[in-house]
Amino acid sequence: EAQVTQNPRYLITVTGKKLTVTCSQNMNHEYMSWYRQDPGLGLRQIYYSMNVEVTDKGDVPEGYKVSRKEKRNFPLILESPSPNQTSLYFCASTLSVSGRPSEQYFGPGTRLTVT
Amino acid sequence: GNSVTQMEGPVTLSEEAFLTINCTYTATGYPSLFWYVQYPGEGLQLLLKATKADDKGSNKGFEATYRKETTSFHLEKGSVQVSDSAVYFCALGLWTNAGKSTFGDGTTLTVKP
Repeated sequence: EAQVTQNPRYLITVTGKKLTVTCSQNMNHEYMSWYRQDPGLGLRQIYYSMNVEVTDKGDVPEGYKVSRKEKRNFPLILESPSPNQTSLYFCASTLSVSGRPSEQYFGPGTRLTVT
Repeated sequence: GNSVTQMEGPVTLSEEAFLTINCTYTATGYPSLFWYVQYPGEGLQLLLKATKADDKGSNKGFEATYRKETTSFHLEKGSVQVSDSAVYFCALGLWTNAGKSTFGDGTTLTVKP
């Protein structure tokens, strides 16, 4: 089954304790993205990757890091989480044909609480 | 920059009512346009899309037409059902940078029996 998986689904942590949220896709998609969803603010893109070892900032990259060492995986790293990073996070992947933006496939979400 | 503006919610309708959710955009390049739906507790999934001006996307009774002259992509459905209750997001992606996406704030739809 074609899917995007994220782990963990729920995470409660404390300020300053480094954490990683994993994301994996089995569709051989080139593009992957991370978003955060906050009430009244919709979905905002954090980082995206066009292929292995190629990443770029989205609209809200501050406080986050990403890496793309393998095509299927795109982990999100919070090196020193703060309470304002409490949010619902989504990973997504997409296949771009000839540069045309295509539909994204989303993971189930990770609800992060930083106290 | 790029932006997507959706009509503010929440929207509450009775079953079989007509639905319109407005979406307008600004883009620095030539966008493809999408509507995604998010059911409670789930991730987003594609509802429909349009890749060029005057294209009409349709799925599950929902429709939206890409209007370049008014920079709009309004979502419509002739007769909503209780099962359509969800959050709807309008989004754009650019041909010049397929990885970059911009989403609207989302519109929560509740359909009552």
